[in-house]
Amino acid sequence: DAMVIQNPRYQVTQFGKPVTLSCSQTLNHNVMYWYQQKSSQAPKLLFHYYDKDFNNEADTPDNFQSRRPNTSFCFLDIRSPGLGDAAMYLCATSRAGAVDTQYFGPGTRLTVL
Amino acid sequence: GEDVEQSLFLSVREGDSSVINCTYTDSSSTYLYWYKQEPGAGLQLLTYIFSNMDMKQDQRLTVLLNKKDKHLSLRIADTQTGDSAIYFCAEVNTGTASKLTFGTGTRLQVTL
Repeated sequence: DAMVIQNPRYQVTQFGKPVTLSCSQTLNHNVMYWYQQKSSQAPKLLFHYYDKDFNNEADTPDNFQSRRPNTSFCFLDIRSPGLGDAAMYLCATSRAGAVDTQYFGPGTRLTVL
Repeated sequence: GEDVEQSLFLSVREGDSSVINCTYTDSSSTYLYWYKQEPGAGLQLLTYIFSNMDMKQDQRLTVLLNKKDKHLSLRIADTQTGDSAIYFCAEVNTGTASKLTFGTGTRLQVTL
């Protein structure tokens, strides 16, 4: 089945230790998104790629970076995780067009010790 | 800016209907979505409605849209324990590169 896959599902890192979260998709969608979701809150968009074009949200901290080496893969890099970065990180994809519906992966829960 | 609001909690008995409400402020919304999130999981797309529609039905789900009042609702018929989850409404204005604006989420609890 076509889907959005996130690895790992659970990630533990230490304060200040860089971490990379991975997202892949078999939907061949041209747009990929990264969201941060803290407990009992709605997902918050960090950035998205429209094809190779990177679009950062104005309030996304510099500590968060992203890479998209090809259509299928997108990575979220957290350069120096703080305790406040502990959250669920959700990847989503969409095919830009008339109905630009976003499909979400299962998420990666990040714990910062 | 856009604002999407939902009530935080709803409790229903198994077999009853659930109605989850959502209000939004962006009159230029083009699509409105309902997503379901089970504990520790990602968001599952349930259904969506185009802004020029009043109603959409999909099996046990009925979406009603009152564009004049900017009110969206999701009705789940014959609610089951497996429907217990958080439900997010979201709106998108395709003029803003398809950015979803999510509501605060409604936690649905289904009791026996």
